[in-house]
Amino acid sequence: DQQVKQNSPSLSVQEGRISILNCDYTNSMFDYFLWYKKYPAEGPTFLISISSIKDKNEDGRFTVFLNKSAKHLSLHIVPSQPGDSAVYFCAASALGYGGATNKLIFGTGTLLAVQP
Amino acid sequence: NAGVTQTPKFRVLKTGQSMTLLCAQDMNHEYMYWYRQDPGMGLRLIHYSVGEGTTAKGEVPDGYNVSRLKKQNFLLGLESAAPSQTSVYFCATRRQSNQPQHFGDGTRLSIL
Repeated sequence: DQQVKQNSPSLSVQEGRISILNCDYTNSMFDYFLWYKKYPAEGPTFLISISSIKDKNEDGRFTVFLNKSAKHLSLHIVPSQPGDSAVYFCAASALGYGGATNKLIFGTGTLLAVQP
Repeated sequence: NAGVTQTPKFRVLKTGQSMTLLCAQDMNHEYMYWYRQDPGMGLRLIHYSVGEGTTAKGEVPDGYNVSRLKKQNFLLGLESAAPSQTSVYFCATRRQSNQPQHFGDGTRLSIL
């Protein structure tokens, strides 16, 4: 049973436009959410996170929105750049319940292609 | 990814062979993790460690063993490799529970 779902395997966006990547989760104990970006032949790189006490977190061109009632989060990239082309993973953790282990549950990823 | 080094980067094994993957970190992080990434499956946790001398099972631990004899190193062992263990293996570290994990660049393992 997949607790973190990214239902869009791929997304194509024009340079300069907004990219919106979506993620749904099923476990109501998740209280900490992260987005990672991954280029081919490299490890995932942390991008942005959000705690369940917030509904929005912004860092430059990247904004993550959290809708707890819908168990949904999204990553907005504005404006999109060709260098943003990568696989984006959503991850979730039950920080308040898992103690020191903070195990992350990952989604399956969305491949973003930003066209010049 | 600076700070987390995985060796080797690539390896091809025959079924039944054994090998050890090494993860080394220089960030003095307490927590270390081993994941595997398979097509369409995302990253799945194999084993993890919350400090030197400690290890615990993750989602998919069968067929793997780990050791954390030194704080900076986390070893993942395959005692008898099987084709189902063909995957890309990632190591990650974390300083504290409310901070993100930092990943190495992975080890691509093929088992024939």
